[in-house]
Amino acid sequence: DQQVKQNSPSLSVQEGRISILNCDYTNSMFDYFLWYKKYPAEGPTFLISISSIKDKNEDGRFTVFLNKSAKHLSLHIVPSQPGDSAVYFCAAGTGNQFYFGTGTSLTVIP
Amino acid sequence: KAGVTQTPRYLIKTRGQQVTLSCSPISGHRSVSWYQQTPGQGLQFLFEYFSETQRNKGNFPGRFSGRQFSNSRSEMNVSTLELGDSALYLCASSLRQGSYNEQFFGPGTRLTVL
Repeated sequence: DQQVKQNSPSLSVQEGRISILNCDYTNSMFDYFLWYKKYPAEGPTFLISISSIKDKNEDGRFTVFLNKSAKHLSLHIVPSQPGDSAVYFCAAGTGNQFYFGTGTSLTVIP
Repeated sequence: KAGVTQTPRYLIKTRGQQVTLSCSPISGHRSVSWYQQTPGQGLQFLFEYFSETQRNKGNFPGRFSGRQFSNSRSEMNVSTLELGDSALYLCASSLRQGSYNEQFFGPGTRLTVL
């Protein structure tokens, strides 16, 4: 049973616009959340994280929002650039056990 | 600094065989974690090794096993291969145990089971 779900397998956005990637989780005990980016033929790379004591974390063009009551987090990329085209995985968990979503493939159209 | 390396990059096996995958972490990293990536299930955690001891384990059958050597290199073994084991197997290294925001992933080994 998937504890972390990314319901949109793919997303296309025009360059310069906002990309919003969504992620839902089922376990209210999860207290740490991460986003990874993966290019083809490469391993995932850590992008940004947020702990449950916050509802927003920002790093340059990337912002992660956490809505604990809805068990939902989202990644906003503003402005989107063609180099952002990749598969994005969210992960959620606690302690030493984390669960990953199935990924969303983002395509930024020049 | 060299990144995480995994060998082989591609592997084709038949059902019932066994396979061993290798992962060399970044120099100085003592934690190695293994993941299985499939289109339907995403990234699933297999296990984590730190200082030659398995510290954490995901929900996979006993056919999946691993070990870590004194130089932090790690191997993963899958016995009695099934068609459903076809996947990309990723390893990730980090300095500390359980450092999910400090993991560096290798490029993966693509295993195909026929």
